[in-house]
Amino acid sequence: EIVLTQSPGTLSLSPGARATLSCRASQTVVSRYFAWYQQKPGQAPRLLIYAASSRATGIPDRFSGSGSGTDFTLTISRLEPEDNAVYFCQQYGGSPALTFGGGTTVEIK
Amino acid sequence: QLQLQESGPGLVKPSETLSLTCTVSGGSINSRNYYWGWIRQPPGKGLEWIENINHSGSTYHNPSLKSRVTISLDSSMNQFSLLLRSVTAADTAVYYCARYPVATDGSFAFDIWGQGTMVTVSS
Repeated sequence: EIVLTQSPGTLSLSPGARATLSCRASQTVVSRYFAWYQQKPGQAPRLLIYAASSRATGIPDRFSGSGSGTDFTLTISRLEPEDNAVYFCQQYGGSPALTFGGGTTVEIK
Repeated sequence: QLQLQESGPGLVKPSETLSLTCTVSGGSINSRNYYWGWIRQPPGKGLEWIENINHSGSTYHNPSLKSRVTISLDSSMNQFSLLLRSVTAADTAVYYCARYPVATDGSFAFDIWGQGTMVTVSS
């Protein structure tokens, strides 16, 4: 089973700051099959990044993804109040075929 | 614009079967470019993938739930469904349905989600 470990658990930053979220896999993940989601309170998750670094439709360019192998990063370059959310990483390709990380909460001060 | 909507009972008794349907509107479920999946989220916790199915009935599943899960697709109704048998309190969660593109230029990520439906397992 491929386990995805996200860190930190919570990130508390001011508007305009840069947020760096990490997702580490227990085994190599094919970048093509790695994604990031944003979930605001009371809402369904929203796809932010797919194929490790491609922004989904309508996602602002202050969201960026990078990484490969077992280490992946989501960067939010200039935090805005609406970025207050939980962020999940997800991979496809191991067994079980698809897993999510435990999430990182981003709090805007 | 494609939309997904979950429906089903909000309360299920322990040991019974949870049954949910996802209705797809604004597009056809009968496309080889997509799988259609179920994901759940217990209150205050993270996301757990359950199973995916495509237009021809091919599925791939989470082994931790496989023995209790049946997923099916009805092209004529543009719907897909989830049955989860022998439920316990641990199955209490918000259940989401979502689209999963698998074409050559697809995202291989859940790109469109339903709003979710809360299911509570309690007597």
